[in-house]
Amino acid sequence: AQSVSQHNHHVILSEAASLELGCNYSYGGTVNLFWYVQYPGQHLQLLLKYFSGDPLVKGIKGFEAEFIKSKFSFNLRKPSVQWSDTAEYFCAVTPYSGGGADGLTFGKGTHLIIQP
Amino acid sequence: GAGVSQSPRYKVAKRGQDVALRCDPISGHVSLFWYQQALGQGPEFLTYFQNEAQLDKSGLPSDRFFAERPEGSVSTLKIQRTQQEDSAVYLCASSLTQGARYEQYFGPGTRLTVT
Repeated sequence: AQSVSQHNHHVILSEAASLELGCNYSYGGTVNLFWYVQYPGQHLQLLLKYFSGDPLVKGIKGFEAEFIKSKFSFNLRKPSVQWSDTAEYFCAVTPYSGGGADGLTFGKGTHLIIQP
Repeated sequence: GAGVSQSPRYKVAKRGQDVALRCDPISGHVSLFWYQQALGQGPEFLTYFQNEAQLDKSGLPSDRFFAERPEGSVSTLKIQRTQQEDSAVYLCASSLTQGARYEQYFGPGTRLTVT
């Protein structure tokens, strides 16, 4: 079975600082990778996803993530954070199934607080 | 159209009571998922439906948990004889069809507290 590890449970940054949130997964085969975000009082929503091809993927709101297969990592980055980026961030993985059932395996999440 | 909706948003149950949690997926979405999110944790997969067929129930923690989607639209997650460890937020998600390449859209969740 696959698992996901997010190393930073709480991160506090000032506006305009650069962000990198770590995500490592454990699975022996091909995977699909995701970052989800939950803003205060809102639903979980997809930030970005990686299936294949260019390992650097861009998502909404200026976020990007890089898949490094040799390190089993999929770290989330943003060059300059804003106060509105305050949220809970979840990394998730599914085995590549080519169309079968695809329940997501999530990490425990990183609570990001941006100070004005 | 409207997103995924769940009801009730909050539920308090006494230990031993049965509860039923409802999920209305996005209209036309074939796939439906249930997740359980304990406090301070990420969501954990419970079960998956494709239309009315429950294709994966490997994440259901015990035989007290039961899910159904009889007409391939609305789904109900039922928990019998609730225990304190069942306290969590229960999330429902739907996607257009099967396959990870189709985004899962999440509902607001039902927060269950067992006293």
